[in-house]
Amino acid sequence: AQKVTQAQTEISVVEKEDVTLDCVYETRDTTYYLFWYKQPPSGELVFLIRRNSFDEQNEISGRYSWNFQKSTSSFNFTITASQVVDSAVYFCALSETWRGATNKLIFGTGTLLAVQP
Amino acid sequence: NAGVTQTPKFQVLKTGQSMTLQCAQDMNHEYMSWYRQDPGMGLRLIHYSVGAGITDQGEVPNGYNVSRSTTEDFPLRLLSAAPSQTSVYFCASSLRRSGYEQYFGPGTRLTVT
Repeated sequence: AQKVTQAQTEISVVEKEDVTLDCVYETRDTTYYLFWYKQPPSGELVFLIRRNSFDEQNEISGRYSWNFQKSTSSFNFTITASQVVDSAVYFCALSETWRGATNKLIFGTGTLLAVQP
Repeated sequence: NAGVTQTPKFQVLKTGQSMTLQCAQDMNHEYMSWYRQDPGMGLRLIHYSVGAGITDQGEVPNGYNVSRSTTEDFPLRLLSAAPSQTSVYFCASSLRRSGYEQYFGPGTRLTVT
């Protein structure tokens, strides 16, 4: 079965620390997509990144970076020099093929990141 | 460009009442979907649509109906509310049916008493 595991339920860091959020996935599909979303205390879901299964290049966007490794079925997210505004729940998600479309998202249970000043 | 909008933001219903959660997007997205978010269970797909006039069930469709008469709108109807439907409901849209990121609305927090 398709599954996304975010083993870290809560992480607390002090501002300026680097932090890595882990994501491990299981899928039978050969073509699939992985995503990260941020849910701040205000409750909305903010899209951060999409990665397809054929592109294992790491990506960096400002203080954010993502490490995709098919060999270990992992798609980890690192925040460098964390800030208080990074405090949120972060969700990793996997697209699943459902009745011919691949936009059904399987979400992990999320990691609550608390950045202390 | 408002993105994905949802109304209402909060709603309290009594068991057995019906209501419609509204969702609209102004990005001309083909694909729209409804998820519910429950503590410890993440988000689960209720219904989705790959275009106007085409809808299908997700993994937790019971007790909900949808329709898609226009590209922009995708309302979710609760037929007879039950306490088990207490949840936060998110509408999402993406450009195409496969492989594109989904953009989420702000959510509707529903309580059924």
